[in-house]
Amino acid sequence: EIVLTQSPDTLSLSPGERATLSCRASPGATNFLAWYQQKPGQAPRLLIYDAFNRATGIPGRFTGSGSGTDFTLTISSLEPEDFAVYHCQQHSSWPLTFGGGTKVEIK
Amino acid sequence: EVQLVESGGGLVKPGGSLRLSCAASGFSFSSYSMNWVRQAPGKGLEWVSSISSESSYIYYADSVKGRFTISRDNARNSLYLQMNSLRVEDTAVFYCARDPYNDRPPGWYFDLWGRGTLVTVSS
Repeated sequence: EIVLTQSPDTLSLSPGERATLSCRASPGATNFLAWYQQKPGQAPRLLIYDAFNRATGIPGRFTGSGSGTDFTLTISSLEPEDFAVYHCQQHSSWPLTFGGGTKVEIK
Repeated sequence: EVQLVESGGGLVKPGGSLRLSCAASGFSFSSYSMNWVRQAPGKGLEWVSSISSESSYIYYADSVKGRFTISRDNARNSLYLQMNSLRVEDTAVFYCARDPYNDRPPGWYFDLWGRGTLVTVSS
């Protein structure tokens, strides 16, 4: 089973700042990694797939990067609507697994 | 409108059973693999089960294998999850989620999610 470890657990930032979220896979997940955003009481929303491809309608301030064992989601300049929990997920092998999530909160 | 709507959640005692449903609309349901993903209160997401478009491929998380059964009815555009021998640790919001590609086996990411249905297992 591929274990995904997200860090940090919580990121406290102000609007306009840059957010850098990490997802580490053990063992590696090649490029088969996705990122989701989830707001309270809502379903997750797909942001990034296959490590760096933006899903339909996702703004350009969201960028995915990395491969193998280390992946990063970068939000270049936080908008008020970006404060949420972010999850990574691998589909390199069964079982499909998610990381524990990173909460991006307003400082 | 493209959407997934879950139903069937509720309060059940440990050892009990529940059947969840997911109604799909706005897309060709029969062409897509489908999935169940759950989220315990205050916790992260956990993949539960996947089923291919024609039910040829079915996968389960070890935590539910032998207790949960995924199925679908393409004529009714519906996905199901039969949950037996429920445990307290099964308490979660259960989401129905779609694979991104049609006519491929399951095992991808999820591009469309329902709003979820809450299952509470408690005595």
